[in-house]
Amino acid sequence: AQSVTQLDSHVSVSEGTPVLLRCNYSSSYSPSLFWYVQHPNKGLQLLLKYTSAATLVKGINGFEAEFKKSETSFHLTKPSAHMSDAAEYFCVVSAPGSGYALNFGKGTSLLVTP
Amino acid sequence: EAGVVQSPRYKIIEKKQPVAFWCNPISGHNTLYWYRQNLGQGPELLIRYENEEAVDDSQLPKDRFSAERLKGVDSTLKIQPAELGDSAVYLCASSLGQGLADTQYFGPGTRLTVL
Repeated sequence: AQSVTQLDSHVSVSEGTPVLLRCNYSSSYSPSLFWYVQHPNKGLQLLLKYTSAATLVKGINGFEAEFKKSETSFHLTKPSAHMSDAAEYFCVVSAPGSGYALNFGKGTSLLVTP
Repeated sequence: EAGVVQSPRYKIIEKKQPVAFWCNPISGHNTLYWYRQNLGQGPELLIRYENEEAVDDSQLPKDRFSAERLKGVDSTLKIQPAELGDSAVYLCASSLGQGLADTQYFGPGTRLTVL
């Protein structure tokens, strides 16, 4: 079985400061890991994905995440937050043992203050 | 290129009434998924189709939920009768196929409110 745990349900940062959204995963197989973002009343949008290639993954809008097997983590970072980054962020794991079904975390709500 | 299309965007019904949601996936995507997202939670898979075949419906409450994907393109998810606990956002997603590198693309969802 595979699952993810998002360690913070809410994160608040000031505009222009770094963003860190934490995610730990559990998987019996070599997993794929994703970060999706969901803006209010909008569909889920893929930010980035890890599929066993480079451990540092760059995504859209300046986000990146690093796969650390020893720590079973896949934290999402951005050097400088923008007001438009305020949204719900989901860490997601997928693995062959579950037919590649996506298992979502409970989400982290990112608030960006001026 | 058009994304995943869902309709309606919002639906309000009284309990015990039927309701249906429609999804048109991205052209050429063989795999289609229906998810349910409860308030404050991440989406949970209800059913997955490979072309017109439902290959994973283990999480679908079959006593009241049904789904179909005729001709392996559009899909409909139905609830009959609806219960208060069915209030949620129903998301449709599509992808080219299975595999670790596959990416699922999501529609905007249908927000269902059962009164």
